[in-house]
Amino acid sequence: AQSVTQLGSHVSVSEGALVLLRCNYSSSVPPYLFWYVQYPNQGLQLLLKYTTGATLVKGINGFEAEFKKSETSFHLTKPSAHMSDAAEYFCAVSEKGGSEKLVFGKGTKLTVNP
Amino acid sequence: KAGVTQTPRYLIKTRGQQVTLSCSPISGHRSVSWYQQTPGQGLQFLFEYFSETQRNKGNFPGRFSGRQFSNSRSEMNVSTLELGDSALYLCASSWRLAGEETQYFGPGTRLLVL
Repeated sequence: AQSVTQLGSHVSVSEGALVLLRCNYSSSVPPYLFWYVQYPNQGLQLLLKYTTGATLVKGINGFEAEFKKSETSFHLTKPSAHMSDAAEYFCAVSEKGGSEKLVFGKGTKLTVNP
Repeated sequence: KAGVTQTPRYLIKTRGQQVTLSCSPISGHRSVSWYQQTPGQGLQFLFEYFSETQRNKGNFPGRFSGRQFSNSRSEMNVSTLELGDSALYLCASSWRLAGEETQYFGPGTRLLVL
């Protein structure tokens, strides 16, 4: 079975500071990995994904994540936080070549302080 | 291209009633998945439909059911509503093709059971 652990349910950073949201996964088969963002009263928006190839993936709004198989991690980073980044972020995993069912982490709520 | 649409956006029901939620996928997408989001349990997979067939099912009671039509639109039904069914119900669509496994989410239907 697959699982996702997001360390820190709440992360607070200052505007302009580095954003680092941690995600570790467990999967018995090669995974597909995703980061989604959810703004209040909205659905989920895809930030970026890793399916195959380059392990450093770039997404929208300046976010990027690196797939590290040896560490079973897929941490999300952004060099400089903006007020508009305040939202809840979800890491998710699905099976490569299998079900498209997404297994989500519990989410990390990001607060950006002026 | 229009995104995933869900109707209605908000719904209030009472215990014991039943409810039907609708999802229209992105044009060309043939797979529709449903997720339940609650503060306590987070995001949980309900089921996936592809070409009018249920392909995967999550760990939910039989009160939760769904179907998909020939135009890929999907509905989910919850019978005999319980207070714990109050949640945001999210629909996601995808191509379900190798190399295009990304799921795109709609804005959700917020259901309140009184």
